[in-house]
Amino acid sequence: DTEVTQTPKHLVMGMTNKKSLKCEQHMGHRAMYWYKQKAKKPPELMFVYSYEKLSINESVPSRFSPECPNSSLLNLHLHALQPEDSALYLCASSQELGAANYGYTFGSGTRLTVV
Amino acid sequence: ILNVEQSPQSLHVQEGDSTNFTCSFPSSNFYALHWYRWETAKSPEALFVMTLNGDEKKKGRISATLNTKEGYSYLYIKGSQPEDSATYLCAPTSGGGADGLTFGKGTHLIIQP
Repeated sequence: DTEVTQTPKHLVMGMTNKKSLKCEQHMGHRAMYWYKQKAKKPPELMFVYSYEKLSINESVPSRFSPECPNSSLLNLHLHALQPEDSALYLCASSQELGAANYGYTFGSGTRLTVV
Repeated sequence: ILNVEQSPQSLHVQEGDSTNFTCSFPSSNFYALHWYRWETAKSPEALFVMTLNGDEKKKGRISATLNTKEGYSYLYIKGSQPEDSATYLCAPTSGGGADGLTFGKGTHLIIQP
């Protein structure tokens, strides 16, 4: 299995809802990432997990809460989002954080709309 | 967060022509340079990861060069085909690569039949 699987592919949620995005990989990668991509802009790093521990939080608002329950799974819990949080959320994994010669494997993303 | 510049932002190329575009990045504390191809509604696809100054990598009709001393990388596409239409993103890393990838804004390439 050489893929990163993200679910759901599309999500519409109200500002008072609680929802979760899921990301799964079975490549034995020990670093996993959440990126946010708005239209016509490059993906922006949100969180980095290394060996299931949060390594980087790029000053993301607390209404986004990441969780890495095991080495294959990465969740992003969403609560009290704003319409401006509508974006494509991409998950990625890599062999290890800082492994120079390895690329990242990206999922196809979750298209989130906050209404 | 690294300052990454890609140019041009957008490029229209006739099918069969060759093309190239640029990624500029800070040369200090360089660790690695990643190139990705991103087609609409698909996952970003890793093309190359380059670490050595002067390195050149090739994948089919696509190749890339790296100059870490002056802080730039070129991506070349030879004999462009419609399936090459995509956004090409570069992402340098520094400081041992522990900071994740910071992407440039990308070059949006459109191949015209």
